Amino acid sequence: DARVTQTPRHKVTEMGQEVTMRCQPILGHNTVFWYRQTMMQGLELLAYFRNRAPLDDSGMPKDRFSAEMPDATLATLKIQPSEPRDSAVYFCASGLGTGGRSNQPQHFGDGTRLSIL
Amino acid sequence: AQKITQTQPGMFVQEKEAVTLDCTYDTSDPSYGLFWYKQPSSGEMIFLIYQGSYDQQNATEGRYSLNFQKARKSANLVISASQLGDSAMYFCAMREGYTGNQFYFGTGTSLTVIP
Repeated sequence: DARVTQTPRHKVTEMGQEVTMRCQPILGHNTVFWYRQTMMQGLELLAYFRNRAPLDDSGMPKDRFSAEMPDATLATLKIQPSEPRDSAVYFCASGLGTGGRSNQPQHFGDGTRLSIL
Repeated sequence: AQKITQTQPGMFVQEKEAVTLDCTYDTSDPSYGLFWYKQPSSGEMIFLIYQGSYDQQNATEGRYSLNFQKARKSANLVISASQLGDSAMYFCAMREGYTGNQFYFGTGTSLTVIP
C-alpha cells in the first residue's frame, strides 16, 4: 500500500534550534497538508499545497514557521527558532484535490513527535 | 461557527455492543463529503468511511456505518459488535465545495471498549 512518509518520527531538541520536518506524499497526490496535534488544541491545519503551490498558511505562525514544496515528492515544515510551545505531533497528509464531491480521503503519515526543551 | 462538532469527548461501550459517535456539520454548500478517521493510541490516523452529500444511501464499511441525516446535518458513526481494538480517538471531518481541498476536523471522541 502507498503511504505518506514522514521523517523524523521523533525529534527532541533545545529551544532556539531549527527544526526541519519532511514529508513524502503518495505518488500522484496533488494536495499536501501539514497539521499540528496537541491535547489542548486538537488537530490544527497549519498549511496546505495544491500542485506544489501554497494555498493557505493562515494557521501557521509566520514569524517562525515556514512550509515549502521544493518538488512533488517532498514537502518540508521548518521551525526557526523553536520554542517549548511548539512541542506537538506534526502530521503530513496528502490527497487527490478533486473537490467536495470526491470520495478521496486524506492519507496521513505517522507523524513527527516533536519535543522542544 | 464550527464546521464540525463532536459533542462527546469520551464514550464507553461494552465489548460486542454497538456504539454511535455523534457528528454534526455546518455548511451552506450543497456539495460536500464527510469522513471518519480513527486514531489509536499508537498515533496514526486511519481513514474509516466516507459519505457524500448526494449519496442516497448510508455508507457502510464492514462494522462501520454512517447514519447520515442531511436535514439535521448529522453524520453519526455507528460501530457494530465493538472490539477491544476499537478503543481509540475518532474524528469526523468534512470537505466542502466543488473545488474544496481543505478538510475541517472535529475535536474527536475518545472511545473505550470495556471487556
